[in-house]
Amino acid sequence: AQSVAQPEDQVNVAEGNPLTVKCTYSVSGNPYLFWYVQYPNRGLQFLLKYITGDNLVKGSYGFEAEFNKSQTSFHLKKPSALVSDSALYFCAVRDMIRQLTFGSGTQLTVLP
Amino acid sequence: NAGVTQTPKFQVLKTGQSMTLQCAQDMNHEYMSWYRQDPGMGLRLIHYSVGAGITDQGEVPNGYNVSRSTTEDFPLRLLSAAPSQTSVYFCASSPGTHSYEQYFGPGTRLTVT
Repeated sequence: AQSVAQPEDQVNVAEGNPLTVKCTYSVSGNPYLFWYVQYPNRGLQFLLKYITGDNLVKGSYGFEAEFNKSQTSFHLKKPSALVSDSALYFCAVRDMIRQLTFGSGTQLTVLP
Repeated sequence: NAGVTQTPKFQVLKTGQSMTLQCAQDMNHEYMSWYRQDPGMGLRLIHYSVGAGITDQGEVPNGYNVSRSTTEDFPLRLLSAAPSQTSVYFCASSPGTHSYEQYFGPGTRLTVT
């Protein structure tokens, strides 16, 4: 079975500081990895994905994620956080057989 | 494009009642899916469809039915509502599977009393 772990329910960071939201995964075979963001009372919005190729993936709103196969991780990063980045972030994974599996989510709060 | 639309936005049901959550997309996407979101549990897949006339079960299908008679529409039916089905329901679509990101609707907040 495939699974995703987001070990932090809550991440707080000061505006202007770098942020990291952690994600580790478990799949059989090559993974397809995704990050989504959810603002209050809204649906999920796609941020970025890793399918193959360069381990550093760049996405929307200045976010990027680093795929690390040996550590089975796909951490979301941003060099300088904005208050408007405060939201719920979900990591998701799938392989060629199964459907998408989501992590439990990490609430990011950027403090002014 | 309206994207993925869902109706209603809010719904309160009594235990045992049935209802249909509507989902439509205007992007000609083949793949559509239904998720439920519960606190601390992320999103869990209920049912999905890879094209008109084809549906399959996800992780938590019990108590729900779906059909896909057209590419655009993918309704979710609750057969006999239970308090355990109190949740926020999201519909999503994508051009294909595996490597494609999904586009989500705004959600339906359902309360079963």
